[in-house]
Amino acid sequence: DGGITQSPKYLFRKEGQNVTLSCEQNLNHDAMYWYRQDPGQGLRLIYYSQIVNDFQKGDIAEGYSVSREKKESFPLTVTSAQKNPTAFYLCASSIIKGEREKLFFGSGTQLSVL
Amino acid sequence: EDKVVQSPLSLVVHEGDTVTLNCSYEVTNFRSLLWYKQEKKAPTFLFMLTSSGIEKKSGRLSSILDKKELFSILNITATQTGDSAIYLCAVEARGSGGSNYKLTFGKGTLLTVNP
Repeated sequence: DGGITQSPKYLFRKEGQNVTLSCEQNLNHDAMYWYRQDPGQGLRLIYYSQIVNDFQKGDIAEGYSVSREKKESFPLTVTSAQKNPTAFYLCASSIIKGEREKLFFGSGTQLSVL
Repeated sequence: EDKVVQSPLSLVVHEGDTVTLNCSYEVTNFRSLLWYKQEKKAPTFLFMLTSSGIEKKSGRLSSILDKKELFSILNITATQTGDSAIYLCAVEARGSGGSNYKLTFGKGTLLTVNP
């Protein structure tokens, strides 16, 4: 079955630690996105990528980094510079043309600070 | 800055009730409005609306867009406990200077349907 796989489901970060969230898709989608969801807030865009080896900052990119070395993979690193990392992180993908707006989401990663 | 406002933020109803969820927006270069349902973790796509006045329907769910008044509603008739979820509204618009389209999400409406 095609889809988006995020791992791990739950992640704990210690002070000063960088952690990496995994996102893999086998939908052959060109575009991939990372969103952050806080309680009572909408989804906010962290980074997105429309092509391999290229990515753009979203609205809240500070304290995060990404890479897009393969079409299927778009890992997100939450660095120690992100002072409030506790949130639910959603990865999504879409095609570029046509029904681009139909984002397909992974099941998310809940990140908590120890 | 693009804005998407959903109301109410939360709603509790009984099975069989009809509910209307609202989404208003202020964006430049509007392209489409989308509704998603988030039950547990992954939001799933419900509707995409691009033209005013044309109702999209899927079973007990329907949605319509008013581009003049800049809002959309999502209706759910004969609600069931399985409709309990967060309903997210998102608007796609082109950024300033002709840059890429981007999606702006509202905060969502938490719907709870009690038996």
